[in-house]
Amino acid sequence: QQQVKQSPQSLIVQKGGISIINCAYENTAFDYFPWYQQFPGKGPALLIAIRPDVSEKKEGRFTISFNKSAKQFSLHIMDSQPGDSATYFCAASRVAGKSTFGDGTTLTVKP
Amino acid sequence: EPEVTQTPSHQVTQMGQEVILRCVPISNHLYFYWYRQILGQKVEFLVSFYNNEISEKSEIFDDQFSVERPDGSNFTLKIRSTKLEDSAMYFCASRGGANTGELFFGEGSRLTVL
Repeated sequence: QQQVKQSPQSLIVQKGGISIINCAYENTAFDYFPWYQQFPGKGPALLIAIRPDVSEKKEGRFTISFNKSAKQFSLHIMDSQPGDSATYFCAASRVAGKSTFGDGTTLTVKP
Repeated sequence: EPEVTQTPSHQVTQMGQEVILRCVPISNHLYFYWYRQILGQKVEFLVSFYNNEISEKSEIFDDQFSVERPDGSNFTLKIRSTKLEDSAMYFCASRGGANTGELFFGEGSRLTVL
């Protein structure tokens, strides 16, 4: 089964701290690994994504680390802010196919 | 900025009734999807649609579900006879092309089945 396992389920971080969310996948055919951010009452929105030919991608305070051999990838949010409080979903897909989502992580950043 | 729009934002229906959820994907996108999210749970794939036909569907997408692109802009999800367990947030998403992975999601349609 094409599963994506995400942890932790919830995360509380102080303002200015680093938030780290981890995901693991099974299907080696996956070649696109996005992270989506979802605020209450809204649809998921792409935050950052990586392809398996690179081990790290950084966009502002958000970084994806990718370990192809371990079939794992993680999202790091540096200098976490209260406005980052949201649910974060990792996903995996073949670029031309459906996305399989992780279970989500509810991030709370305390001021 | 182009966006995916969905209507209605919330629909309440009686069990056994038919429901149609509507979506207007981003105009130059070629791939269309429906996902659902039961409250507080993960985002689950229902169906993908390309070139006027279903390209993939999940086990959830049984005979009670259908999708249609009746014209050049709308993409609809029909549930023929709703069940209590169909209560969820339904998200439409679109993707630009074969080499672009990003999904653009609408804000969702909340379906409540009583």
